[in-house]
Order: sequence, then C-alpha cells, then structure tokens
Amino acid sequence: DAGITQSPRYKITETGRQVTLMCHQTWSHSYMFWYRQDLGHGLRLIYYSAAADITDKGEVPDGYVVSRSKTENFPLTLESATRSQTSVYFCASSSRRSTEAFFGQGTRLTVV
Amino acid sequence: TQLLEQSPQFLSIQEGENLTVYCNSSSVFSSLQWYRQEPGEGPVLLVTVVTGGEVKKLKRLTFQFGDARKDSSLHITAAQPGDTGLYLCAGISSNTGKLIFGQGTTLQVKP
Repeated sequence: DAGITQSPRYKITETGRQVTLMCHQTWSHSYMFWYRQDLGHGLRLIYYSAAADITDKGEVPDGYVVSRSKTENFPLTLESATRSQTSVYFCASSSRRSTEAFFGQGTRLTVV
Repeated sequence: TQLLEQSPQFLSIQEGENLTVYCNSSSVFSSLQWYRQEPGEGPVLLVTVVTGGEVKKLKRLTFQFGDARKDSSLHITAAQPGDTGLYLCAGISSNTGKLIFGQGTTLQVKP
C-alpha cells in the first residue's frame, strides 16, 4: 500500500537502552522529517533530510541519530534512551519545499 | 532559530461562535501551512499560503498570510462540534526546507 508507515506503533523500553524507530514511505519523496510531540510543545523537529545521504539537525537533536541510505527509509535511533525521551514520535515526508507533508500514524515511546 | 508562536493554546467555545487563531514569528517564511490533528493520528494539511497578503477560504475556514510573510491567522465562522481538534501552523524555511511547527491550538466546540 502506498503511504508512509511507522513501526512500531507502541514501544516500552528501559533507560539506557538503544531503540530504533522505523519510517518507510512509498512515494519517493525527497524530504523526510522526524518530530516529537509533547503536551504544550506542539511538534518539535528532531532531524530532517532533503535527500538520501543528506541529513540535518532540527530543534531538538540531542540524544538522537538518523540515517538515510535509501530514499524511502529514515530510521531514528535513540542511542541511550532517557525518561525525557518519552513522547509520541511522528515521521513525515514531502515531495519538495512548500508542498504538503504527509505524516505517519506515530510511535508512542515510553522509557521506564 | 526560527520560532512560531501560536495563540491561544486552548480555546473552548459554544457551537455557532466565531474564533481566530494566530501564528506569529519574527522570521520570514517562504510559506506557511495549517494542519489539523485528530487524537491518535498524524496532522493533515488544511492549506498552504505562499504570497504575502494571501487569503484562502476552505468552507467556514479563512486563512490569511501576513504581508511580511511572518504571521498568519485562521478564522472559523460559526464553529461546529466537528471542528474540535488540534490546529497547528507550520512554517517552511526558504533556504533549508525545514518544516517548523507552532505549539498548536486545542479547540473544543461544545454543542
């Protein structure tokens, strides 16, 4: 099915563990984004990518790592999870600047 | 750092009332977008405004982009319970393509 999918939908992990959130899109969109959503903060940009092998930091990149070896995939890794990283994470993609961003369903991550 | 300030953050009104949500920044954006988000879902685009002074209408929703392309507003006429949700403005950086969101406005329309 065409679209943008995130996995897993829900994840509980322990403090200090590494965890990877997956994002896959089938449109071959150039731009991909990772956001976290916390109450009172809206969506905060973690990292974004303008094309394969091109990534850049957003507003809150500390503690996160991304890669984009293929256009369709944009995984987000928490190197050593902390409780402050408990959040809902959204991945999005768009074909080019100023066009609609399409969002995945989100991953609810709880760090205990 | 480009920031978008949205106000108000929460709004609870009666069905039939009008309301306006504001999105302000000290930075110039190449375009501004408005999204709506339902619980448990990702945001969905409502509109994109590109030209300073531009006004777009979507049924009872009117969107305006400021002349200087630093601010935008969303006006809803005769709000209905189906308008309940989280409204987010987002700015696109002209040189990086970064998509930055405001804090969002949670709207509750009571029947």
